[in-house]
Amino acid sequence: DGGITQSPKYLFRKEGQNVTLSCEQNLNHDAMYWYRQDPGQGLRLIYYSQIVNDFQKGDIAEGYSVSREKKESFPLTVTSAQKNPTAFYLCASSTRAGGANVLTFGAGSRLTVL
Amino acid sequence: DQQVKQNSPSLSVQEGRISILNCDYTNSMFDYFLWYKKYPAEGPTFLISISSIKDKNEDGRFTVFLNKSAKHLSLHIVPSQPGDSAVYFCAARDFGNEKLTFGTGTRLTIIP
Repeated sequence: DGGITQSPKYLFRKEGQNVTLSCEQNLNHDAMYWYRQDPGQGLRLIYYSQIVNDFQKGDIAEGYSVSREKKESFPLTVTSAQKNPTAFYLCASSTRAGGANVLTFGAGSRLTVL
Repeated sequence: DQQVKQNSPSLSVQEGRISILNCDYTNSMFDYFLWYKKYPAEGPTFLISISSIKDKNEDGRFTVFLNKSAKHLSLHIVPSQPGDSAVYFCAARDFGNEKLTFGTGTRLTIIP
């Protein structure tokens, strides 16, 4: 079954700790994305990567870092510099369907800072 | 600055009736618009899209309408079914850019 796997599903972190969220896809998609969902704010783009070894900041990249060493993997590190990290994090990859880049999303990872 | 807005946070519709979800945008450079459906604790799934050169796209029970002059799009679901209860996000793609900008979502509840 092709899809996107995010892990862990739930993660608790103490303040001051870095955490890394895993995202793996077997869809052979070139582009991958990280979004954050907060109540009442929709989905906001953190980072995206259109090709291996290259990535761009999204709208809310501060306090986050990513890497894209392999086509199928795009891990997100939430650093201690992120002021309000408690949120639902969604990883996605994309292909084009009639010109629109349709995103396929993973099931998400919920991060809670204690 | 919210470039894609869904002004109704929630909507309740009787089963079998039409559901109409609305979305407004401000960026004239958006060239593709998409609708996604999301269940709790799951990732959004793609529903339907429309190019800015069209004003309507239909797929089964789902139809998306685009009014470029008003910078407004809407999703029509008819007839509405209980399984349609979910949060719906509209999204827009900036021309020449691969990233999507999402709205804040509308929670649709279908009443049996």
